[in-house]
Amino acid sequence: QSALTQPASVSGSPGQSITISCTGSNSDIGLYNYITWHQHHAGKVPKVIIYDVSSRPSGVSHRFSGSKSGNTASLTISGLQSEDEAHYYCSSYSVNSPVWLLGGGTKVTVL
Amino acid sequence: EEQLVESGGGLIQRGGSLRLSCAASEFTVMSKYMTWVRQAPGKGLEWVASVYSGGNTYYADSVRGRFTISRDGSTNTLYLRMNSLTADDTAVYYCARRDYYYGPLDVWGQGTTVTVSS
Repeated sequence: QSALTQPASVSGSPGQSITISCTGSNSDIGLYNYITWHQHHAGKVPKVIIYDVSSRPSGVSHRFSGSKSGNTASLTISGLQSEDEAHYYCSSYSVNSPVWLLGGGTKVTVL
Repeated sequence: EEQLVESGGGLIQRGGSLRLSCAASEFTVMSKYMTWVRQAPGKGLEWVASVYSGGNTYYADSVRGRFTISRDGSTNTLYLRMNSLTADDTAVYYCARRDYYYGPLDVWGQGTTVTVSS
């Protein structure tokens, strides 16, 4: 069982916005702003799309945005496109662990 | 361009051993925070092991005592020695780099497949 809880799946129609939640505790997400999101297309290499809660690496679409409230981090994908169909994983630094915590992943389906 | 290239995967019998390699270019593995992550068929990503720049190593409960993460500065390569392999270890194994302690896993290898047969 993952230390960070994500919904197994989220779906939306093209052009819509969807939000993926990532729930932790006051020892990780609630305490630090070291939260990352990775996108993983089947058969490809995982790619970081958000770090430090809401920062985007160079080259990542502005349609991806991150936020945090309390012990829950969120990834929002705006203007959903077919290419966004992938698995998304959250990760957070924790005061209780020398290694980062990893969420179980969320499968995004574009209807 | 900073990159990681993995090798060493393959088909191995249950109880066997395998060593994965992850060669780095354009940065030094000894000064970064290096990690192995795996994905079993139909499952999500699972953290396996990490070695930090100071040399400390950490392991997931599922592999502790069987797997060993190490690095070689002379060849700039990260390794994962896997012993007593079981079917549950069947997965694609990725090596990845964390550039600084609080940074994201920003450089990933292409993945190498390990299949444990019974």
